[in-house]
Amino acid sequence: EAGVAQSPRYKIIEKRQSVAFWCNPISGHATLYWYQQILGQGPKLLIQFQNNGVVDDSQLPKDRFSAERLKGVDSTLKIQPAKLEDSAVYLCASSLDSNPGPESDTQYFGPGTRLTVL
Amino acid sequence: GQNIDQPTEMTATEGAIVQINCTYQTSGFNGLFWYQQHAGEAPTFLSYNVLDGLEEKGRFSSFLSRSKGYSYLLLKELQMKDSASYLCAVNDYKLSFGAGTTVTVRA
Repeated sequence: EAGVAQSPRYKIIEKRQSVAFWCNPISGHATLYWYQQILGQGPKLLIQFQNNGVVDDSQLPKDRFSAERLKGVDSTLKIQPAKLEDSAVYLCASSLDSNPGPESDTQYFGPGTRLTVL
Repeated sequence: GQNIDQPTEMTATEGAIVQINCTYQTSGFNGLFWYQQHAGEAPTFLSYNVLDGLEEKGRFSSFLSRSKGYSYLLLKELQMKDSASYLCAVNDYKLSFGAGTTVTVRA
């Protein structure tokens, strides 16, 4: 079974530029998550989708970050304009469904995109 | 808010046992995950505890006490490849992660 795919793996941009990340979840997984992981910290949830609807975006800085999952499969996360503090690894994860239960709850992560803002 | 604490670093010798503790204070609780994350890689699933008690999975075991807000991950017969960061995450309909514990295994 193919895992969560993300691209690009690395991106270097200057502050105030824009950047987009792409994620393709595990086939059949209804729920997709975007996390931000700053060096030395645990991942922080930015946004959670179930199919193509947003479940939780309470920690997404909406003045500069946006995300979409138009057809309920793959997703893009955009930052515009980027700031120095956005330098981090952006992880995408997916799970079977958002209904509680061990198999449904387990999230599987992609390799991440390492963003450096200069 | 969510408060999840785990030690920053631990060092152990190959073949030894290491116990990584995690304490949490969260507004809700559906279960507790442990993930392993090698440097520069994605977190990978290790265990998920929903009920109190010990769950064993090969060399790794995880324990949960919901009344105490406490969990630990036990790594036995340590191998060099176990050098990684171990993340504790509480599931409250979304995951809240601790900062991770970096385990270094020395020969």
